[in-house]
Amino acid sequence: AQTVTQSQPEMSVQEAETVTLSCTYDTSESDYYLFWYKQPPSRQMILVIRQEAYKQQNATENRFSVNFQKAAKSFSLKISDSQLGDAAMYFCAYRSVIQGAQKLVFGQGTRLTINP
Amino acid sequence: SAVISQKPSRDICQRGTSLTIQCQVDSQVTMMFWYRQQPGQSLTLIATANQGSEATYESGFVIDKFPISRPNLTFSTLTVSNMSPEDSSIYLCSVSGQWGSSGNTIYFGEGSWLTVV
Repeated sequence: AQTVTQSQPEMSVQEAETVTLSCTYDTSESDYYLFWYKQPPSRQMILVIRQEAYKQQNATENRFSVNFQKAAKSFSLKISDSQLGDAAMYFCAYRSVIQGAQKLVFGQGTRLTINP
Repeated sequence: SAVISQKPSRDICQRGTSLTIQCQVDSQVTMMFWYRQQPGQSLTLIATANQGSEATYESGFVIDKFPISRPNLTFSTLTVSNMSPEDSSIYLCSVSGQWGSSGNTIYFGEGSWLTVV
C-alpha cells in the first residue's frame, strides 16, 4: 500500500519570503499522480497543484511550484512571495491510476503560519 | 472543476442518533468518495460511492455504521449511524472525473462538521 509522509508538522515564514514544504511517498507503481491541497480554517480542501508522474517537468501554478524527484520519491512544494492568505494546513496526496484504487492517500499535513 | 454542495455544513448531534449528509454535484461525475477528518488529523477514506450499487468500503469502515447511497451520477448521501463522541469529525464528499472519463484530480465539497454530545 502507498504511504505519504510529511515530516514537518509546522512551518512558519515571513510575509513575502519563500518557504518549502516537504513530502515523501512510497509506492511500487510507475505511473501515478501527486497533489498538494490547502485547507484553511474554513476547512474546505482546495487544490493547489498537481503533478503527473510521467512528466519530468515540475508543475507550477503562479507562486506555487513543486520539486518532483521521482527516483527519490520526493514531492516538495515551494511557495514564493508568501502572503497572509497562504496560512493553512497543507496536505500532500498520492493517487494511483489503477482502476479501483484511485483514492487519495494523504500525508499528515503541515501547518503553515505566515508572519507579517 | 465541478461545484460540490454538502448539507449540513455543521451540526451538533445527540449520542445514539443518526445523521445523513448529502452531497450534490452540478455535473455528472465518474467517481464519488467520502472522507473523514478527525480533529487535528489528516483525511481518511471511508468509502467509494458506486452509482447504482453498494459502496466499496475501506478497512475499518462498515456499511452498518456508514451506509452510503448514490442513486445517480450527481448525488450521494453518507449516514453516520448510532453516533458516539468518537464520530465527531469533518466528513467530506469528493468527486473525480466528468462522466465518461476517469479524471485525474479529486475535488472536495466544503465538508460537514459533526459534533456528537
